[in-house]
Amino acid sequence: DQQVKQNSPSLSVQEGRISILNCDYTNSMFDYFLWYKKYPAEGPTFLISISSIKDKNEDGRFTVFLNKSAKHLSLHIVPSQPGDSAVYFCAASSVSGGSNYKLTFGKGTLLTVNP
Amino acid sequence: DGGITQSPKYLFRKEGQNVTLSCEQNLNHDAMYWYRQDPGQGLRLIYYSQIVNDFQKGDIAEGYSVSREKKESFPLTVTSAQKNPTAFYLCASSWGGGNTEAFFGQGTRLTVV
Repeated sequence: DQQVKQNSPSLSVQEGRISILNCDYTNSMFDYFLWYKKYPAEGPTFLISISSIKDKNEDGRFTVFLNKSAKHLSLHIVPSQPGDSAVYFCAASSVSGGSNYKLTFGKGTLLTVNP
Repeated sequence: DGGITQSPKYLFRKEGQNVTLSCEQNLNHDAMYWYRQDPGQGLRLIYYSQIVNDFQKGDIAEGYSVSREKKESFPLTVTSAQKNPTAFYLCASSWGGGNTEAFFGQGTRLTVV
């Protein structure tokens, strides 16, 4: 039973355009969400996070939006660059629920940014 | 140069043998984790440790064992009881729990033949 779902295995966008990566979750106890970026044969690197008390967090070209009622979050990358091509993982934890050491990951979305 | 180091990058073992994957961090993090990634899958938590001399099972702990005798080190042993040990193993560390950024190592690809 997947608690964090990334329903698009892949996404292809043109350089300079917006990339939107989506993530849905089912566990209402999740209250902290993170996005990680991963290149092949390397470990993931942290990108951006958001607490459930917020609905938006921005860091440079990256913005994460959280819609708690829909249990949905999205990562926007504007403008997209070829170096953004990687697998993006959505992850969630339950800080207030006491499971804050257990990050649950989605299966990832492969983003390809074409020059 | 602070970071988290996994070794070796590639590891081959014969079926039925136990194998230990190394993970060392010099970030002074309290928490350390082991994840497994299979093709087309997300990262699944094997074990985690919040503090020295303490560790907890994750979602797929069967066939694995860990120790946390030092803050810097969190080795993972893949035992012969693990039915499908061939995978990409990732170690991570963080200051605290899931609301803090986890830093990942480069991973170890284990192939059991």
